Amino acid sequence: DQQVKQNSPSLSVQEGRISILNCDYTNSMFDYFLWYKKYPAEGPTFLISISSIKDKNEDGRFTVFLNKSAKHLSLHIVPSQPGDSAVYFCAASSLSGTYKYIFGTGTRLKVLA
Amino acid sequence: EPEVTQTPSHQVTQMGQEVILRCVPISNHLYFYWYRQILGQKVEFLVSFYNNEISEKSEIFDDQFSVERPDGSNFTLKIRSTKLEDSAMYFCASSVPGQGTGYGYTFGSGTRLTVV
Repeated sequence: DQQVKQNSPSLSVQEGRISILNCDYTNSMFDYFLWYKKYPAEGPTFLISISSIKDKNEDGRFTVFLNKSAKHLSLHIVPSQPGDSAVYFCAASSLSGTYKYIFGTGTRLKVLA
Repeated sequence: EPEVTQTPSHQVTQMGQEVILRCVPISNHLYFYWYRQILGQKVEFLVSFYNNEISEKSEIFDDQFSVERPDGSNFTLKIRSTKLEDSAMYFCASSVPGQGTGYGYTFGSGTRLTVV
């Protein structure tokens, strides 16, 4: 039962262009969403989050958009840099309960110099 | 910046042996978690721990798994009799709900468990 889906396993983008990573979820009880970045042999690193009361959150080059009716969120990285090359996971949670996160399968982003 | 520390970074064990994976969460955090990632797959929730007891566990977390916080600082995951399919990266995480950067967790860098 994949409650959080990232349908693109990989994405290649030229340096300086926009990277758009997508995530879909099925559980309408989710009310908090995060994006994590992961390098090989390291733990996931928190990137940006959004609660269900918002539809956009911005932090520097990173913007997360949430479309609740479509149960879809996306991460925009502008401009993309080679150091952004990593695996990106979206994760979802319900703020009631134990705060566990359900992760998507990840999208490997490669930013080409 | 505070870190979640995991030891060892890599553990090789024979099938059927017991292993203990160790974690030192961030000191003022209240919730503790174990996740695992089988190679090439998604990060999966195993268990959450709060107030010295398990608050939630997944179906993966069967009787072969246990967690404890023996001394108020360490947080351990024990696998009693390892199987080949337990080979994965195991991540510890801790959090303080309501504080920090948007309820985000802090993950450790993981322990790679290889069962042979």
